[in-house]
Amino acid sequence: QKEVEQNSGPLSVPEGAIASLNCTYSDRGSQSFFWYRQYSGKSPELIMSIYSNGDKEDGRFTAQLNKASQYVSLLIRDSQPSDSATYLCAVILNTGGFKTIFGAGTRLFVKA
Amino acid sequence: DTEVTQTPKHLVMGMTNKKSLKCEQHMGHRAMYWYKQKAKKPPELMFVYSYEKLSINESVPSRFSPECPNSSLLNLHLHALQPEDSALYLCASSQGHSDQPQHFGDGTRLSIL
Repeated sequence: QKEVEQNSGPLSVPEGAIASLNCTYSDRGSQSFFWYRQYSGKSPELIMSIYSNGDKEDGRFTAQLNKASQYVSLLIRDSQPSDSATYLCAVILNTGGFKTIFGAGTRLFVKA
Repeated sequence: DTEVTQTPKHLVMGMTNKKSLKCEQHMGHRAMYWYKQKAKKPPELMFVYSYEKLSINESVPSRFSPECPNSSLLNLHLHALQPEDSALYLCASSQGHSDQPQHFGDGTRLSIL
């Protein structure tokens, strides 16, 4: 089992719809979770951090964490063509030092 | 604009060359990182420095040699690289490395001839 797993997509949604991105992780001891957006040819950009179970909202983005089920998700409301990018889930693993492990990323296409 | 600055943006080198990648941040962060990213793959952690000390080395070949001269600077010295080392090399920093998000530079795109 990979340490951090994401559906690679591509995920295609129409403009204005909700995009739902999911991520599961293997280390039950993990406490810190992040979503990054990466446009083609660019570096990753932090969108959200989440540390506690439940929902965290920031503008059109909502991160959801369920530690019991070991999953974290990202919802993008009112999706825009400019949201088309690869979304990377990242988890800090507390094994042999604190290492950030990225999922493979989900490619999102928002159709105008 | 990014608060983590990497130079050069592009580098082409032969397998016998020696070169260095540089990274600088002025956010007062105490952890700095090097990642390697191949096309359509996620970033892979190479090295972590915490308070200017190497805390994680992910079994990276010795042809890659990191250096942290001070809390704002991070270098990656390259020597005798192989064609498969061609990739985007990303530097990142964070306030701490146990639970804080990382801020990435724009990367150095490295090509080995």
